[in-house]
Amino acid sequence: GAGVSQSPSNKVTEKGKDVELRCDPISGHTALYWYRQRLGQGLEFLIYFQGNSAPDKSGLPSDRFSAERTGESVSTLTIQRTQQEDSAVYLCASSPREGHVTQYFGPGTRLTVL
Amino acid sequence: AQSVSQHNHHVILSEAASLELGCNYSYGGTVNLFWYVQYPGQHLQLLLKYFSGDPLVKGIKGFEAEFIKSKFSFNLRKPSVQWSDTAEYFCAVNAPPGTYKYIFGTGTRLKVLA
Repeated sequence: GAGVSQSPSNKVTEKGKDVELRCDPISGHTALYWYRQRLGQGLEFLIYFQGNSAPDKSGLPSDRFSAERTGESVSTLTIQRTQQEDSAVYLCASSPREGHVTQYFGPGTRLTVL
Repeated sequence: AQSVSQHNHHVILSEAASLELGCNYSYGGTVNLFWYVQYPGQHLQLLLKYFSGDPLVKGIKGFEAEFIKSKFSFNLRKPSVQWSDTAEYFCAVNAPPGTYKYIFGTGTRLKVLA
């Protein structure tokens, strides 16, 4: 079956523009996670969805970041008024249910803000 | 705050050399532990995991890791590396276990010389 997919794979934008990153989890996976990976750093937790609700948004760096999820399907991460420090790889992962500890990762979206 | 430390950021080995990558975590309670691998151009994938039981865990491709509770460590080992093991390796902790909370280390880039 298909794994987690993310689009676009690469995004170059100008400072101040808004961007939308998309994640398609594995079908049937209720839990979905977004992470950010800056160059030379580990994965930084952004937000977690259980179904279409987000019980933990504590990792979102600022109010320029938001995310939503449609049912137990696609999720979008939106960054408004992008800044150069937003440049990173944004990773999405899903797992069959909350408490199921194995995460399945997508290929990531590499965001470059000029 | 909880954290995961990977002490080796870059490791270069010749083929057939033995490998040990360090991982230490800070969390006082029970944990689930993971090693993920990211091959060049590919997405993060699970190498091995520890939930409970035998602290010596066998993973794919000849990798193993040993959980030493007293040292808060989960080091990754392989007796004889191959060129194809060139990748970035991430240690991760799920704490409290069975929740959505994961903490990742900063990763270790391994280069194996043919």
